Amino acid sequence: GNSVTQMEGPVTLSEEAFLTINCTYTATGYPSLFWYVQYPGEGLQLLLKATKADDKGSNKGFEATYRKETTSFHLEKGSVQVSDSAVYFCALSEDGYGGSQGNLIFGKGTKLSVKP
Amino acid sequence: GAGVSQSPSNKVTEKGKDVELRCDPISGHTALYWYRQSLGQGLEFLIYFQGNSAPDKSGLPSDRFSAERTGGSVSTLTIQRTQQEDSAVYLCASSPVMTSGSSNEQFFGPGTRLTVL
Repeated sequence: GNSVTQMEGPVTLSEEAFLTINCTYTATGYPSLFWYVQYPGEGLQLLLKATKADDKGSNKGFEATYRKETTSFHLEKGSVQVSDSAVYFCALSEDGYGGSQGNLIFGKGTKLSVKP
Repeated sequence: GAGVSQSPSNKVTEKGKDVELRCDPISGHTALYWYRQSLGQGLEFLIYFQGNSAPDKSGLPSDRFSAERTGGSVSTLTIQRTQQEDSAVYLCASSPVMTSGSSNEQFFGPGTRLTVL
């Protein structure tokens, strides 16, 4: 079945360091891909998304490119801040097209801690 | 506008008791999802409602779990005869009607933390 695998954490970085969180997926069809973020004490929020191959999602300095050839959607940020400390979840939706909507399949989450 | 709301925010119950968790989706959103977030299992899909269609119950872990959605809006997740392994944060999400080719963006509530003693 469909699945998402992301790098295990925790990840600890110094402020202004470069961030990569790897995410790969297994899916039939043409899924949409997402990164969700969960800040301490808060609910899940959509960070960015991409709906088709070669699309790049971006938000708040974070980027991820939908790579069909490598079935990947790695999250990157050039210079992290302390306020980026959170848990990041990669996810796919099984129904990216056609108007029907499917549930999200999540990776296990990667906890990021950024030190000043 | 208001986001997805859930109640209660915390629930502590004794093993064997029944619990009901409530979700109020964003007004106008036709799709509603329940997920469970636990330490050992991460985020798991439980059930999905879309308009008046029959719900997708494929993620429910046992027949002790059920959910309903009245009037296409508020949803209640019921867990009967709770077990300690049911302890988790239960998340609700809603999504608007999507046109063909659009992505499935879901908006999450703050969750209900369930503790079964």
